[in-house]
Amino acid sequence: NAGVTQTPKFRVLKTGQSMTLLCAQDMNHEYMYWYRQDPGMGLRLIHYSVGEGTTAKGEVPDGYNVSRLKKQNFLLGLESAAPSQTSVYFCASSYRENTEAFFGQGTRLTVV
Amino acid sequence: RKEVEQDPGPFNVPEGATVAFNCTYSNSASQSFFWYRQDCRKEPKLLMSVYSSGNEDGRFTAQLNRASQYISLLIRDSKLSDSATYLCRQPGGSYIPTFGRGTSLIVHP
Repeated sequence: NAGVTQTPKFRVLKTGQSMTLLCAQDMNHEYMYWYRQDPGMGLRLIHYSVGEGTTAKGEVPDGYNVSRLKKQNFLLGLESAAPSQTSVYFCASSYRENTEAFFGQGTRLTVV
Repeated sequence: RKEVEQDPGPFNVPEGATVAFNCTYSNSASQSFFWYRQDCRKEPKLLMSVYSSGNEDGRFTAQLNRASQYISLLIRDSKLSDSATYLCRQPGGSYIPTFGRGTSLIVHP
């Protein structure tokens, strides 16, 4: 049982480049989340989804887009990367909003 | 104001000490809360769930105080391996579960 898998684990981008982070879960969870974590800022919610085909904005959505075409996958896109998007990105999923959330191992992104 | 507040610490304690963290929350409708442990450069992992009756697991005890709107995590007989950041999470009524910024614990010999 893989749980939540994120790809890639590390990436270096140049300013202005685009990329997509993939999150896959095999637990049949309805809810999926993308967070970023920066020193001293804790986990900040970027976007989330409450089911296949749905997405919603979190606390810090600017500069990011997401899609949930399949229940098991939640994609996070950066259309034009900026140095301010250098961070560690975590994906998580949960069965319901008020149940335990499981996290992927994180993606360390550096934008130069 | 963030919905979930935690003292960032660090809490620096000797092995064997008892240490407690609090996490205050603003959404009074929440029925469940969670404590997560996060090691450096790793993903958060669930430590304990907290419901109205509290929860105890070995050296760890979590309690909910609805009147004052906070949850607590008590660690007895601290071990070096308890050194980590402890995050609390409050499921939100608007589908947005909110995490606190975390409390750093350092257990030293």
